[in-house]
Amino acid sequence: RKEVEQDPGPFNVPEGATVAFNCTYSNSASQSFFWYRQDCRKEPKLLMSVYSSGNEDGRFTAQLNRASQYISLLIRDSKLSDSATYLCVVGYSSASKIIFGSGTRLSIRP
Amino acid sequence: GAVVSQHPSWVICKSGTSVKIECRSLDFQATTMFWYRQFPKQSLMLMATSNEGSKATYEQGVEKDKFLINHASLTLSTLTVTSAHPEDSSFYICSADRDSDYNEQFFGPGTRLTVL
Repeated sequence: RKEVEQDPGPFNVPEGATVAFNCTYSNSASQSFFWYRQDCRKEPKLLMSVYSSGNEDGRFTAQLNRASQYISLLIRDSKLSDSATYLCVVGYSSASKIIFGSGTRLSIRP
Repeated sequence: GAVVSQHPSWVICKSGTSVKIECRSLDFQATTMFWYRQFPKQSLMLMATSNEGSKATYEQGVEKDKFLINHASLTLSTLTVTSAHPEDSSFYICSADRDSDYNEQFFGPGTRLTVL
């Protein structure tokens, strides 16, 4: 079983739609959680960190459920520029390394 | 702040040659840097963790004699792909850890390696 699992998609939704991504992780010792965005042939860029209390940044909302080892990302009022691959990332502070999920491709159509 | 650069951004080389990729943290000191590889339509796979002043820690299945890592200073780590072969063609990305307590990593723009 992969350490971090995501639905690969692709998700193809119209502009303005709300879209949700899910991610599960297998190691209960995980301590930090992130969503990264990666555009084609570019490096990943941090979209937002994910906290136990949930957090929101504009149109983006991230949630963490430690009991279920589940992370989510919600994008409201999607824009064409949101088209990218979204990577769920889990960190272990003892090793200082992070593990990437395989990514979910999102395509927003006009 | 937290800018990481990589050089070169792309390289094409003949099979059997060695290629060196540099990763620099421009505005912060990075005790730890990471090297990833990404094949088309796949996610990033951690190759090794590079610690300043000590030997790198390689992930399972990554040959340390083929992928030489040197972390000579707090702002520079290098990855040398020795005797490169076509199957080494990939997107190599480095990252630097600014705050080891939080695992937030900042990524370089990547190096696209093509081995003919």
